[in-house]
Amino acid sequence: DAKTTQPPSMDCAEGRAANLPCNHSTISGNEYVYWYRQIHSQGPQYIIHGLKNNETNEMASLIITEDRKSSTLILPHATLRDTAVYYCIVNLARSGGYQKVTFGIGTKLQVIP
Amino acid sequence: GAVVSQHPSRVICKSGTSVKIECRSLDFQATTMFWYRQFPKQSLMLMATSNEGSKATYEQGVEKDKFLINHASLTLSTLTVTSAHPEDSSFYICSAREPGAHYGYTFGSGTRLTVV
Repeated sequence: DAKTTQPPSMDCAEGRAANLPCNHSTISGNEYVYWYRQIHSQGPQYIIHGLKNNETNEMASLIITEDRKSSTLILPHATLRDTAVYYCIVNLARSGGYQKVTFGIGTKLQVIP
Repeated sequence: GAVVSQHPSRVICKSGTSVKIECRSLDFQATTMFWYRQFPKQSLMLMATSNEGSKATYEQGVEKDKFLINHASLTLSTLTVTSAHPEDSSFYICSAREPGAHYGYTFGSGTRLTVV
């Protein structure tokens, strides 16, 4: 799996957009970018994933640069409940395949009232 | 979406005893599940890959005789911490992937183990 680099912590004002960056310069052509988050004392929760196109769902948007070496997770209107550690992971998304998922340190997002 | 249930959520045990943690895929079959350990203020560390009907694969540095994994059915994997010691106190999390799903892995809610 390609390694990822994320800032260890970020603050965001409640109601504002939170933009969480991730560098994955060694990503290979068939690897997807996944984002998970972990709220304190809970298991990680899937947020979104993408290959090369930008993606949006009910939780967030994912912007992937054209060279795929970095991406940004956007929470459009952060709430206090979005305070969590956010993990960016690069992994294969083979149907039926079982790739190990390894976690880096992630970004601890603190949403401030 | 897929649901992974983990039980118990919290357990306190005496040093030297064994503790079993269950991980169930509720609405899908999982031939492979993963077990993680997380110490306070640290990231998740992969311990082992649990394979239905065969032996688990352990990550380097993880003692297979101490952390026994059994994956006897397509919906259940268990992790037994044998002869637990205070240094085994941690947050244990399992995960599985629904076959054909492209949204990645689903994680259990975790088990907080405290060894006293």
